[in-house]
Amino acid sequence: EAAVTQSPRNKVTVTGGNVTLSCRQTNSHNYMYWYRQDTGHGLRLIHYSYGAGNLQIGDVPDGYKATRTTQEDFFLLLELASPSQTSLYFCASRQINNQAPLFGEGTRLSVL
Amino acid sequence: GDSVTQTEGLVTLTEGLPVMLNCTYQTAYSTFLFWYVQHLNEAPKLLLKSSTDNKRTEHQGFHATLHKSSSSFHLQKSSAQLSDSALYYCALSDRTGGADRLTFGKGTQLIIQP
Repeated sequence: EAAVTQSPRNKVTVTGGNVTLSCRQTNSHNYMYWYRQDTGHGLRLIHYSYGAGNLQIGDVPDGYKATRTTQEDFFLLLELASPSQTSLYFCASRQINNQAPLFGEGTRLSVL
Repeated sequence: GDSVTQTEGLVTLTEGLPVMLNCTYQTAYSTFLFWYVQHLNEAPKLLLKSSTDNKRTEHQGFHATLHKSSSSFHLQKSSAQLSDSALYYCALSDRTGGADRLTFGKGTQLIIQP
């Protein structure tokens, strides 16, 4: 069964801290996406990738790095976390652009 | 750039009444539109998708028709149920800069009351 797995599910860090959010898909999908979800803003695209080693910039990339190490794994890095990055983060994957992406269960991040 | 505009904020309806959530979009590329539904503490899940102009698509009692002439993809249901209470997103898929991205609207919170 197609699945997207995010870890951790919850994370608390302090301002200036270093955080890595992980996403793994076992669907052999080419595309993977990172979104943040905030009330009043909806789902906003941070970074995305169409294969190992590829990275595309989304709409709200400031303060975030991403890396696609393999077809399966896509990481979101916050190297100097700030309270404005407190949010619910979703990873999604799909094969091509006429498919609906499949979402992971989300990671709730709090930056104190 | 590409954008998606939805019915703003919160929509509250009484059970049994019709539902209509608006979605309009702007893009310079070929178009795939999606509606996602997100229940509390869950991930967004696909409700409907379409790329065919003027063709109605249906799922789970909801329906939508993509109208490219007006850049719209409104979500409708004839009779709301309590279980329809959720956050609804309209999303646009396109190829920007050679890579397939998916842009979401801000979401519409639908609350159905008895």
